[in-house]
Amino acid sequence: GAVVSQHPSWVICKSGTSVKIECRSLDFQATTMFWYRQFPKQSLMLMATSNEGSKATYEQGVEKDKFLINHASLTLSTLTVTSAHPEDSSFYICSAETGANEKLFFGSGTQLSVL
Amino acid sequence: RKEVEQDPGPFNVPEGATVAFNCTYSNSASQSFFWYRQDCRKEPKLLMSVYSSGNEDGRFTAQLNRASQYISLLIRDSKLSDSATYLCVVSPSNTGKLIFGQGTTLQVKP
Repeated sequence: GAVVSQHPSWVICKSGTSVKIECRSLDFQATTMFWYRQFPKQSLMLMATSNEGSKATYEQGVEKDKFLINHASLTLSTLTVTSAHPEDSSFYICSAETGANEKLFFGSGTQLSVL
Repeated sequence: RKEVEQDPGPFNVPEGATVAFNCTYSNSASQSFFWYRQDCRKEPKLLMSVYSSGNEDGRFTAQLNRASQYISLLIRDSKLSDSATYLCVVSPSNTGKLIFGQGTTLQVKP
């Protein structure tokens, strides 16, 4: 089946630094990728929808200047958490769609801890 | 009101028990419905899609009631390996955009 690779799996950083998370579709072209965030004991919350070659669409309440999304190719989307703070500590996970009305595959997630 | 609501549990059941989870959703225009399974600190994995006619996959049976905006999952003959969080998921359109419930935690005890 299709595989979505997400890196890094874990990251610990100091407050104020920026962290980049990569989501890569390994054996298919993903025109659309989705970024989610999950706080402990809470549901996955959609942050943004990332379309190749265009600006991401952010969900209400998600700061686009803080969570920079780049989808420069059909196989790679990146999420950069800029000037991270402890409240940004969360589990971030991406998913990629193989095509319209097609299957959805998730990355393995990134646990971000900001000290 | 949350878009997708689930009882977080936990549900503690003995091996071999039958357990049922319920979920309600608020958007009557929702198109697609799923149950996902998530283990701690892992990505969610699709358990099954849910159809109005009801569908079964081995020990798992899912049901959708569009009129009541209600989705259910029944697990028969619970195994220890069924211990996980079960996520009720709704898609507002036929895209990859998914709305997740909080999840219901199941603990199957020997």
